[in-house]
Amino acid sequence: QSALTQPASVSGSPGQSITISCTGTSSDVGSYNLVSWYQQHPGKAPKLMIYEGSKRPSGVSNRFSGSKSGNTASLTISGLQAEDEADYYCCSYAGSVVFGGGTKLTVL
Amino acid sequence: QLQLQESGPGLVKPSETLSLTCTVSGGSISSSSYYWGWIRQPPGKGLEWIGSIYYSGSTYYNPSLKSRVTISVDTSKNQFSLKLSSVTAADTAVYYCARNPATMVRGVSPRFDPWGQGTLVTVSS
Repeated sequence: QSALTQPASVSGSPGQSITISCTGTSSDVGSYNLVSWYQQHPGKAPKLMIYEGSKRPSGVSNRFSGSKSGNTASLTISGLQAEDEADYYCCSYAGSVVFGGGTKLTVL
Repeated sequence: QLQLQESGPGLVKPSETLSLTCTVSGGSISSSSYYWGWIRQPPGKGLEWIGSIYYSGSTYYNPSLKSRVTISVDTSKNQFSLKLSSVTAADTAVYYCARNPATMVRGVSPRFDPWGQGTLVTVSS
């Protein structure tokens, strides 16, 4: 299976909203509502932020939300904060498990 | 609070077998609700799922690594392990273990939570 496609980088100013896309195919993102999103700060383990497309684990800020349209899943972060600066990875079921290439979020 | 901790050699020679263990604390690895997975991340690169195991020993592997990977479980020690054979420099990575909910009839959920802190394994002579 191929990796999911994410933009290499996105940026935004504090207080703004940004959206990170995750494009797959009809065999993965498009067929299952199972996309997860992970946040990873430098030198740290990834942290689950969204699962099953739009569900937030306990303790994750409601500034993080997930959605899907066709073969593309999206992660939206509203009210950007400096602490949101990190790498973000999407992940989907595709017969097995496949990750996106990751997106570096810079808070200007 | 469930915690996972990876352990094993930090340096492996090319062509040899990489062996890591993940110890689970604060919960039972024999829970019927979860698989237990391995994920790796080469330095400066993205994440790659390696495989996952159920307490019964049922496994799912990444097709691209399947010929070289063995994941096993020891319920008496609350541990699961990874063996990756015939390693090359391309297998140099931080290796993470994580919990995987058993929510699918077939296959493994892409939901991993929590994760261990990760351990760097370098393949070099």
